[in-house]
Amino acid sequence: EPEVTQTPSHQVTQMGQEVILRCVPISNHLYFYWYRQILGQKVEFLVSFYNNEISEKSEIFDDQFSVERPDGSNFTLKIRSTKLEDSAMYFCATKPSGHNNQPQHFGDGTRLSIL
Amino acid sequence: DQQVKQNSPSLSVQEGRISILNCDYTNSMFDYFLWYKKYPAEGPTFLISISSIKDKNEDGRFTVFLNKSAKHLSLHIVPSQPGDSAVYFCAASAGTGTASKLTFGTGTRLQVTL
Repeated sequence: EPEVTQTPSHQVTQMGQEVILRCVPISNHLYFYWYRQILGQKVEFLVSFYNNEISEKSEIFDDQFSVERPDGSNFTLKIRSTKLEDSAMYFCATKPSGHNNQPQHFGDGTRLSIL
Repeated sequence: DQQVKQNSPSLSVQEGRISILNCDYTNSMFDYFLWYKKYPAEGPTFLISISSIKDKNEDGRFTVFLNKSAKHLSLHIVPSQPGDSAVYFCAASAGTGTASKLTFGTGTRLQVTL
C-alpha cells in the first residue's frame, strides 16, 4: 500500500537554527498538510497546501514557518529560527482530492528536538 | 479549544470482548468524522470514517456510530484482539477542499488483555 514518507525520523537542532522537514506524498495525491503533536498533547493542524500555495494555516503557523514543494515531489516544512517550544512530532498528511469524504494519510513523523 | 473530546484517556478490555471508544464534539459544522489508530513511533493510521449523512458505518470488526443530535460518536471493536492495543484518535473535519483540516481529540489508549 502506498505510504507517505517523512525524513528525517529524528532531528536534533540547537535553538535558533533552521530546520527543514521533508515529506514525500503518496503519488497522485494533491492535497498536503502538516500537523504537530507536542508530547502529551493532541495532534494540531499547522497548514494545508494545494496547487503550490497555502490554503489555510493555524495560529501556530507564524512567520517562522514556511512550506513549499520545491521539486514537484517533496513537500517541505521549514522552521527558520527554532525555539524550545518547537520540540514536537511533526506529521505530514496527504489526500488525493478536495472531496471531504476522503481520509488523510499520515507519515510516521519527524521527532524534532530543540536544545 | 476542545472542539473534539475523548474523555477516557485509557480503556482495558479482555480479548474477545467488545471495545467501545467514545468521542464528543461541539462544532456543528463538522460533517466528516474519522478514527485513527496510532502505535508508538508511527503516524496515525486511518481506520474508519463516517459522513454526517449516515449514522453507522461498518468495516469488518470495526463499526462507527454517529449521533448528530448528541454530537457524539463511538467506535466499536468486536471481537477485540491483542493487536488492537494502541492509541485511538477521533478526528473531525468540515467542508470540502483543503479547508477540510482535521481536528483531533486527545486520544484513548486501548489495552486488550489476554
